[in-house]
Amino acid sequence: AQSVTQLDSHVSVSEGTPVLLRCNYSSSYSPSLFWYVQHPNKGLQLLLKYTSAATLVKGINGFEAEFKKSETSFHLTKPSAHMSDAAEYFCVVSDRTSGTYKYIFGTGTRLKVLA
Amino acid sequence: DTGVSQNPRHKITKRGQNVTFRCDPISEHNRLYWYRQTLGQGPEFLTYFQNEAQLEKSRLLSDRFSAERPKGSFSTLEIQRTEQGDSAMYLCASSLSLTTGRTNTEAFFGQGTRLTVV
Repeated sequence: AQSVTQLDSHVSVSEGTPVLLRCNYSSSYSPSLFWYVQHPNKGLQLLLKYTSAATLVKGINGFEAEFKKSETSFHLTKPSAHMSDAAEYFCVVSDRTSGTYKYIFGTGTRLKVLA
Repeated sequence: DTGVSQNPRHKITKRGQNVTFRCDPISEHNRLYWYRQTLGQGPEFLTYFQNEAQLEKSRLLSDRFSAERPKGSFSTLEIQRTEQGDSAMYLCASSLSLTTGRTNTEAFFGQGTRLTVV
């Protein structure tokens, strides 16, 4: 069965320092992997996606993620945090394990950016 | 705006009442999903449509919940005899299916309907 584990429920970084949000997945097939961001009282917004093309994926707002099959990981990084990055981040996996294309969310990582 | 639209945005209801939510997906998208999100948790899958066919229902979806997608366009989610435990954000998403391969395209989410059962 497909599943996602976000290793940190809360991450705090200082503005201008690197961001690392960790995600491990479980999937029987070649998965599609996504990172979504949710700002308070806002909808879920796609940051980036991996769908079996390049393993290093670049997204919006300077975020990127690397798909590592051997480690079953898809960690999200950003070289320099900005105050506006403070939000909840969700790692998502989707494949045809169950015969349908549903999206399975992790429990989320709340990113706090300190001035 | 051509994104996913959900109505109403907020709903307060008394326990035992029925409620219905509507979702209008992106027009060319053939897949439609319903999720439920409670405070501090990630969205949990409820059900999924491909065109008008409901292909999967989560065990979270009790008999009090029903979803429809007539003609493969908009969708409704009805909760009968609401309970306080139904209080949550209900999210709708849509995506476009690929004709080949096992990978999936991204889902686009609406702003959600926040249900409060008092």
